[in-house]
Amino acid sequence: GAVVSQHPSRVICKSGTSVKIECRSLDFQATTMFWYRQFPKKSLMLMATSNEGSKATYEQGVEKDKFLINHASLTLSTLTVTSAHPEDSSFYICSARARARNTEAFFGQGTRLTVV
Amino acid sequence: GQQLNQSPQSMFIQEGEDVSMNCTSSSIFNTWLWYKQDPGEGPVLLIALYKAGELTSNGRLTAQFGITRKDSFLNISASIPSDVGIYFCAGRDRGSTLGRLYFGRGTQLTVWP
Repeated sequence: GAVVSQHPSRVICKSGTSVKIECRSLDFQATTMFWYRQFPKKSLMLMATSNEGSKATYEQGVEKDKFLINHASLTLSTLTVTSAHPEDSSFYICSARARARNTEAFFGQGTRLTVV
Repeated sequence: GQQLNQSPQSMFIQEGEDVSMNCTSSSIFNTWLWYKQDPGEGPVLLIALYKAGELTSNGRLTAQFGITRKDSFLNISASIPSDVGIYFCAGRDRGSTLGRLYFGRGTQLTVWP
């Protein structure tokens, strides 16, 4: 079946540095990708939605200059956490959806980001 | 935004028991989905529902799209230890752009052997 690969699965970075997370659809063209953030024992919080070739649409309260999203191709989207701070530590998950109707998005494995 | 109320928040059951969880929305949805998430992993789709009244099974799992289009339930029969995890409902309304989903808060299921 369709697979979405997210990389890295875990990353530790120093405060003030930037971290890039990749989300790839391995066997289908993902016209739409979603980025979520999940706090411990909490639900998924949508951060932004991106369509290939266009700017991402951010949810209210999500800083677009801090969480840079690029959907450069039909198989790759990236989330860059810029100038990371400890409060950005979280579990980030992407999902990718193909163009066909009634096709649901597949989720990546998630990335555990720890900012020290 | 949409509000999804998922209950119960957690369940502790013995192996072999049946489980039921449900989700309600504040407005009409045209899609209901149920996911399972294991620790440190992304959610995995279990069942997708697209029509009011639809009842769909996936092995020991059964889910229904409520006729009011504002609710859905998931049943797990004869639970086993590997059923442990967090179960999320998710839904989509007519106004969802690009297929955006709204998620419930999850039901943490613990199965005792």
